Amino acid sequence: AQSVTQLDSHVSVSEGTPVLLRCNYSSSYSPSLFWYVQHPNKGLQLLLKYTSAATLVKGINGFEAEFKKSETSFHLTKPSAHMSDAAEYFCVVSDEATNKLIFGTGTLLAVQP
Amino acid sequence: EPEVTQTPSHQVTQMGQEVILRCVPISNHLYFYWYRQILGQKVEFLVSFYNNEISEKSEIFDDQFSVERPDGSNFTLKIRSTKLEDSAMYFCASSVLGHLTPYEQYFGPGTRLTVT
Repeated sequence: AQSVTQLDSHVSVSEGTPVLLRCNYSSSYSPSLFWYVQHPNKGLQLLLKYTSAATLVKGINGFEAEFKKSETSFHLTKPSAHMSDAAEYFCVVSDEATNKLIFGTGTLLAVQP
Repeated sequence: EPEVTQTPSHQVTQMGQEVILRCVPISNHLYFYWYRQILGQKVEFLVSFYNNEISEKSEIFDDQFSVERPDGSNFTLKIRSTKLEDSAMYFCASSVLGHLTPYEQYFGPGTRLTVT
């Protein structure tokens, strides 16, 4: 069965410093992986997706993620945090047979001024 | 930019009552989904829908739940007799393609259902 594990429930960074949100996946075949973001009182917005093309995936708002098969990881990074990045971030894997999305538990990112 | 919309944003109902949550998917999308998130827990898949029938459903989606696309634009989730444990945020999503094609799903803002 496919699953994702988000290693940190809360991450706090200062504005202008790098962001690293960690995600490990478990899949019996090459997975499709996504990062979604949820701002307070808003829906889930797709940040980026990996679907077996380039291993370094660039998303919106300066975020990127690198697929590392040897480490079964798909960590989300951003070089410089902005106050508007404060939100909850979900690492997600797509079930290949059904396309249903399997969510991680989420990481709440706080950005301090 | 097209988006998925959901109504109402918040619904309060008494235990045992029927509720209908409404969604308008993006117009050229073909696959529709419902997910829910109980407070403090993961977002969980409930059901997917394509070509006017259920493609896949989770074990959560029991006989109390049903989905319908009544008029070609709305996509509804009905809970026949609500229980306290149905209290959650319900998200609708849609995608251009689905089965065997990992196209991204676009989510609505959610309906917060509170069962008292």
